[in-house]
Amino acid sequence: GESVGLHLPTLSVQEGDNSIINCAYSNSASDYFIWYKQESGKGPQFIIDIRSNMDKRQGQRVTVLLNKTVKHLSLQIAATQPGDSAVYFCAETAPLGAGGTSYGKLTFGQGTILTVHP
Amino acid sequence: EAQVTQNPRYLITVTGKKLTVTCSQNMNHEYMSWYRQDPGLGLRQIYYSMNVEVTDKGDVPEGYKVSRKEKRNFPLILESPSPNQTSLYFCASSSPRSGVYNEQFFGPGTRLTVL
Repeated sequence: GESVGLHLPTLSVQEGDNSIINCAYSNSASDYFIWYKQESGKGPQFIIDIRSNMDKRQGQRVTVLLNKTVKHLSLQIAATQPGDSAVYFCAETAPLGAGGTSYGKLTFGQGTILTVHP
Repeated sequence: EAQVTQNPRYLITVTGKKLTVTCSQNMNHEYMSWYRQDPGLGLRQIYYSMNVEVTDKGDVPEGYKVSRKEKRNFPLILESPSPNQTSLYFCASSSPRSGVYNEQFFGPGTRLTVL
């Protein structure tokens, strides 16, 4: 089946820098794209999502950009802090069946390890 | 405290010995799901349930069973575990926001080793 993938498996930044984590997807039927953060030893935690009819969405210190032309998604973290060190996953969901309105299935990418140096 | 709990947190078992991993949530969420996480493969969805008595296959359902008899519980059953089911398992729950379940709340994980 189609899956979501990542360009870079690791990213190291200095505290205070901006971070950009990238993700490529292949399912053109995907309608929502989601970012999760997973800290060591914990379950993933929702960060932000974006619908396919948008190209940008902002949250607290985070911005998600969606480029449907090249099927690319990115998560930008402003003023990165040591507490942002984690694995970041992108995920996608598509409606079930042609013309469906039910979104139960989530497909995750492989993850990017973000390390923030003080 | 709003949370998703899983038991056991760690389990070592042998091939073929039936086991159940329990998952419970206290947030009255209608949606629950199971994932497995393996190095280099990210999280893969096993089964999900959009309400009581409604379950559907995810991407990797083979070798697993689930049931959703009550809203708060969603156990994962391995009838005959095999070594390739050694993994870290996560349960998650969610309420709909505009009809989607993007914001899922995950449990702490269950590390299963099948010898």
